[in-house]
Amino acid sequence: QKEVEQNSGPLSVPEGAIASLNCTYSDRGSQSFFWYRQYSGKSPELIMFIYSNGDKEDGRFTAQLNKASQYVSLLIRDSQPSDSATYLCAVKDYGQNFVFGPGTRLSVLP
Amino acid sequence: DTGVSQNPRHKITKRGQNVTFRCDPISEHNRLYWYRQTLGQGPEFLTYFQNEAQLEKSRLLSDRFSAERPKGSFSTLEIQRTEQGDSAMYLCASSRRVGPLQETQYFGPGTRLLVL
Repeated sequence: QKEVEQNSGPLSVPEGAIASLNCTYSDRGSQSFFWYRQYSGKSPELIMFIYSNGDKEDGRFTAQLNKASQYVSLLIRDSQPSDSATYLCAVKDYGQNFVFGPGTRLSVLP
Repeated sequence: DTGVSQNPRHKITKRGQNVTFRCDPISEHNRLYWYRQTLGQGPEFLTYFQNEAQLEKSRLLSDRFSAERPKGSFSTLEIQRTEQGDSAMYLCASSRRVGPLQETQYFGPGTRLLVL
């Protein structure tokens, strides 16, 4: 059974701070890693994807991947109240399945 | 609007009734996925199409659930003899694979089902 684990939160950070979201996965065959943002009552929205070990930056977002530790994280710099949402981690192997974690609820306090 | 669309957005039905949902993927995407999501959980994989072929179906999927994608365009998900436990958000996502690792999914707005 392939599993993706995330701390359900809520993770509360003050406005302007760095929010750090973490995800671990069980399948060493996982090759692609995705972060989605989901506002309450809405569908998931793709933020970033990463395939290679190391960091990938896109604006205020940085994804970090460590395949040896089976760990992927998302950093959000200069957090804004509009970043308050649930962040879903998803992993994929060479097959078809995307496996999602339960999500971490982030609250950015003004 | 060139995104993924789903209809209806909301459905309320009585236990035992059949329901059908529709998904229209992004036009150039040949892969289509159905997921189910309940409160506090991530999306749970239900089934997957590549063009018109249904290539994978979750072992957890009851035989009351069936999906089709005629002609590799839109897809329908039917639930027969609905149960209260079927109440959830049903999400459709489409994607296009451009390399061994390069496949990103885009989700539709979802259909929220409530079984009374």
